[in-house]
Amino acid sequence: LAKTTQPISMDSYEGQEVNITCSHNNIATNDYITWYQQFPSQGPRFIIQGYKTKVTNEVASLFIPADRKSSTLSLPRVSLSDTAVYYCLVGTRRVYNNNDMRFGAGTRLTVKP
Amino acid sequence: GAGVSQSPSNKVTEKGKDVELRCDPISGHTALYWYRQRLGQGLEFLIYFQGNSAPDKSGLPSDRFSAERTGESVSTLTIQRTQQEDSAVYLCASSLAGQKNNEQFFGPGTRLTVL
Repeated sequence: LAKTTQPISMDSYEGQEVNITCSHNNIATNDYITWYQQFPSQGPRFIIQGYKTKVTNEVASLFIPADRKSSTLSLPRVSLSDTAVYYCLVGTRRVYNNNDMRFGAGTRLTVKP
Repeated sequence: GAGVSQSPSNKVTEKGKDVELRCDPISGHTALYWYRQRLGQGLEFLIYFQGNSAPDKSGLPSDRFSAERTGESVSTLTIQRTQQEDSAVYLCASSLAGQKNNEQFFGPGTRLTVL
């Protein structure tokens, strides 16, 4: 499983756009990039997944450059309720062994009023 | 519909006691995962089931930990002779194998406190 590196923490203000970048230099050809969000005292929940270029849903956008060695989760106009830990996960869609399902340390985003 | 449920939600036990944690996955989800999350830390993968089989148990922290799954449904994580370092939130997740994005659906977790 490709190792991922994310900033430990980020601060933002309400209404701003937040971009969280994840580095995954040894991403494999079959790997997808998935982001999860975890609120305090809750389990993580799926936000978005992509393979290349750009993916957008009602919650966020995911930008993946051509070399796929990094990805950026973009949250438009954040609110206080977006304060959470965001995890980047890189791996194949099918889990074959333990190494296919390892989360990184995550980025703790704090949105201030 | 019903999501992943876990029981108990909280468990306080004394050092040396055995505990059993339960996970009820979403109906029809063939894949099931257990994670451990210590206070303020990230997710630590423990074990994964495809159906009732766990192909790789090397993620379990020690031989005091064991897990089983029956009927491609309920799973139990058992910790024998608990130690204070076992204190954490234990999260269970399930996914529909073959689903386009293999999205994992997490339960609320069991908070284990070992005194």
